[in-house]
Amino acid sequence: GAGVSQSPSNKVTEKGKDVELRCDPISGHTALYWYRQSLGQGLEFLIYFQGNSAPDKSGLPSDRFSAERTGGSVSTLTIQRTQQEDSAVYLCASSLLAGVRKTQYFGPGTRLLVL
Amino acid sequence: TQLLEQSPQFLSIQEGENLTVYCNSSSVFSSLQWYRQEPGEGPVLLVTVVTGGEVKKLKRLTFQFGDARKDSSLHITAAQPGDTGLYLCAGDYKLSFGAGTTVTVRA
Repeated sequence: GAGVSQSPSNKVTEKGKDVELRCDPISGHTALYWYRQSLGQGLEFLIYFQGNSAPDKSGLPSDRFSAERTGGSVSTLTIQRTQQEDSAVYLCASSLLAGVRKTQYFGPGTRLLVL
Repeated sequence: TQLLEQSPQFLSIQEGENLTVYCNSSSVFSSLQWYRQEPGEGPVLLVTVVTGGEVKKLKRLTFQFGDARKDSSLHITAAQPGDTGLYLCAGDYKLSFGAGTTVTVRA
């Protein structure tokens, strides 16, 4: 498809387990962003990748969270030793270029539930 | 603590009525974006405003950026059920998002 895709669409896991969330950005988009959306909290910036530059990890809430972007395309967000407060919708977005005026295209999100 | 405060949190109106959603901050933003999000989907960009005092119109939607670039408003004229959704404002490249306003337009 032409849009941003994310998988899985839903994930239920037990507290303490590790999870991996995948994002396939729009082909040719150099910038990729991860956000977390909790009920009533809006979107929280987590991390962003721009080309071959070092990622901006300033939004990651703890060292249990990490992300990679392989080959400048697909990205994986990993949450280790999940906690119940990690339950949220994790959204990925990509844009043709980085910058505040560049349109970000969002995927449908992965709904994570930690029991 | 959120940089952007949106109000109201919820808004339910009858089809044909007008509505205004507000986005306020104590911080100055170089630009501000409005998104609409429907259940089960990611946010979709509606507009970007970049100049203090700027007004942009998108059919029945009117967006205004405050003179000091700290606040913005979204006004919908003659709302329709298809306008139902979560409206989010966001500022700067990391997109500091407000918590959103859930708008419901009843037929």
